[in-house]
Formats: sequence, C-alpha cells, structure tokens
Amino acid sequence: EAGVTQFPSHSVIEKGQTVTLRCDPISGHDNLYWYRRVMGKEIKFLLHFVKESKQDESGMPNNRFLAERTGGTYSTLKVQPAELEDSGVYFCASSRIQGGVNEQYFGPGTRLTVT
Amino acid sequence: DQQVKQNSPSLSVQEGRISILNCDYTNSMFDYFLWYKKYPAEGPTFLISISSIKDKNEDGRFTVFLNKSAKHLSLHIVPSQPGDSAVYFCAASAERNRDDKIIFGKGTRLHILP
Repeated sequence: EAGVTQFPSHSVIEKGQTVTLRCDPISGHDNLYWYRRVMGKEIKFLLHFVKESKQDESGMPNNRFLAERTGGTYSTLKVQPAELEDSGVYFCASSRIQGGVNEQYFGPGTRLTVT
Repeated sequence: DQQVKQNSPSLSVQEGRISILNCDYTNSMFDYFLWYKKYPAEGPTFLISISSIKDKNEDGRFTVFLNKSAKHLSLHIVPSQPGDSAVYFCAASAERNRDDKIIFGKGTRLHILP
C-alpha cells in the first residue's frame, strides 16, 4: 500500500508569490488533514477534510491560505500571496473514517521557504 | 497557549539503557494520547497510543504510561537502540470524535549514545 505523498518536497519562493502544495492520501482514506511546523515549534493543525468537505478549518491562519479537495481524492493547499512567516514544513496526513484508533498517516512534508 | 507540553527539547541516553520521554497536557477534554516518531526529512510516524481508560499500554520495547490526575504521560523505551535516535512528538485528541485533529507538542530530540 502506497503511503501519503506530497509534492513538491521543497519550494523556495519570494514574498508575494503564489505556491500550491499537493497531497495524495492513502487510497481509501476519507480523512485528509493539513498540518504545519514552523522551525522548532509544534506541529500545528490547519485543516481537516472528510472526502471533499471541509470538516474543520479552524487552524487556517488567514485568507491567504486556500485548501481544496475536489472529488475527495488529492488535496491542494495554495498560499497567495506568500509572506515570510509562512515558511515551514507543511505536512499532510490521512486516515480512514472509523470509530476506533485515530491513526493518522503522515506524508514526508513540503518544506516551504519564503524569501 | 500550548495544550501539549514537552519541556525537554533534547535527551541523550546510552545504548541499552532506558529512555524516558515526558509530556504534560492542560486540556481536560483530551482523552486519547499518541506518540509519534520523526526522522529528518520524513513525516511523523505513529508509534503507540493510549486511551484515558487505561494507565499503561505496552508494545514491544515501547510503553506509554498515563497519569490522568497529573495530566502527565511518559514514553519508556527499553532497551534503547541506535535507531531510536529521532524526534518524538507527544500528541492528544478528544475521544468524542476519533477522526478529530491531533494536537502536538514541540517534540523531544532523543540521542542514543554508543
């Protein structure tokens, strides 16, 4: 079974530019989450999709961030325009819909550097 | 305000000895706790979890202890091996909705010394 994949692995952009991150969850996983880790800090929740619907977007920092999951498969996270404080590692995770263990499987992350 | 706290940024342990990583939480609504392990340039990997109805959960060399009254949990690794060198994240979620977001601590970097 393939794991969660993320693209690109690393992106360097200038302040004011736009970047789109992509996440492909594990096949059959209806839950998809976006998290972010700013250097040295905790991994912070951004957004949770259940299939194509946004279940919880309480962690989205501001309206410069837009997440989509059309068709309930892969997801994109767009940052427009990017600011210096957006730099960090963006993780995507997925899990099955279930009443048991909330075992989220994480991708390798996209390291975003805004200069 | 941090709801999950890992107060030790790093820990060094001799190979073969016991590693103990500590974690405190503040939110009484948390009743499901997880430990994730992370290597450089990789995403966090689920290691072990514990529900609030238990005070101990064991899986091979890894044991998690939960003290609900103190809002404290710890991860014991025994014996410690070189491959255990990584960043360990303590995390929590609410039992009510098992698909809910996970709240992470800042992590503790574990160094296993030869």
